[in-house]
Amino acid sequence: EPEVTQTPSHQVTQMGQEVILRCVPISNHLYFYWYRQILGQKVEFLVSFYNNEISEKSEIFDDQFSVERPDGSNFTLKIRSTKLEDSAMYFCASSEDRFYEQYFGPGTRLTVT
Amino acid sequence: GENVEQHPSTLSVQEGDSAVIKCTYSDSASNYFPWYKQELGKRPQLIIDIRSNVGEKKDQRIAVTLNKTAKHFSLHITETQPEDSAVYFCAASKAGNQFYFGTGTSLTVIP
Repeated sequence: EPEVTQTPSHQVTQMGQEVILRCVPISNHLYFYWYRQILGQKVEFLVSFYNNEISEKSEIFDDQFSVERPDGSNFTLKIRSTKLEDSAMYFCASSEDRFYEQYFGPGTRLTVT
Repeated sequence: GENVEQHPSTLSVQEGDSAVIKCTYSDSASNYFPWYKQELGKRPQLIIDIRSNVGEKKDQRIAVTLNKTAKHFSLHITETQPEDSAVYFCAASKAGNQFYFGTGTSLTVIP
């Protein structure tokens, strides 16, 4: 069964550095999402992406964040200047259609020191 | 925006007993309600979902009920097994927009 994949599984970075988290959505899916989960807390929506455009974003997704689909398979989340409070698990998800279920990747644990 | 509340935050049941987790939502326009199971250190996995045109859906030992009038929906797990132990998240969305997640319920099934 196809799955969403994410790399790296764990990223440690220093405050102020840029990080790029990578995701490969399920191949026939058209809608892509990023969520984050701070340890012990609920999953929070960051952004959704369709047809090479952001379709929706949350208040968390400020100017420090950006998303890109650089080629036909990857979907990336960039954090320009990381803060301590960006430490969280970041999940990518994809869906075949916006009205269909979303499938989550295994996550990237980001630790900002 | 939508606000999803989930109760209880922790739940312990004996193996073989039933478990019920409840969620309420605030936006009456929400029309899609998935439930995810997350084992420690793993990805959230969809276990069942329901759309607003249906009042109940069942899949083997798992069922979800939806009361649109009261704006609440519940997950029911019957004949619980130790492998059901995990954190369960409910979510609500409308028309394919972002998911709003509940705060999670940590379920422990005691053998």
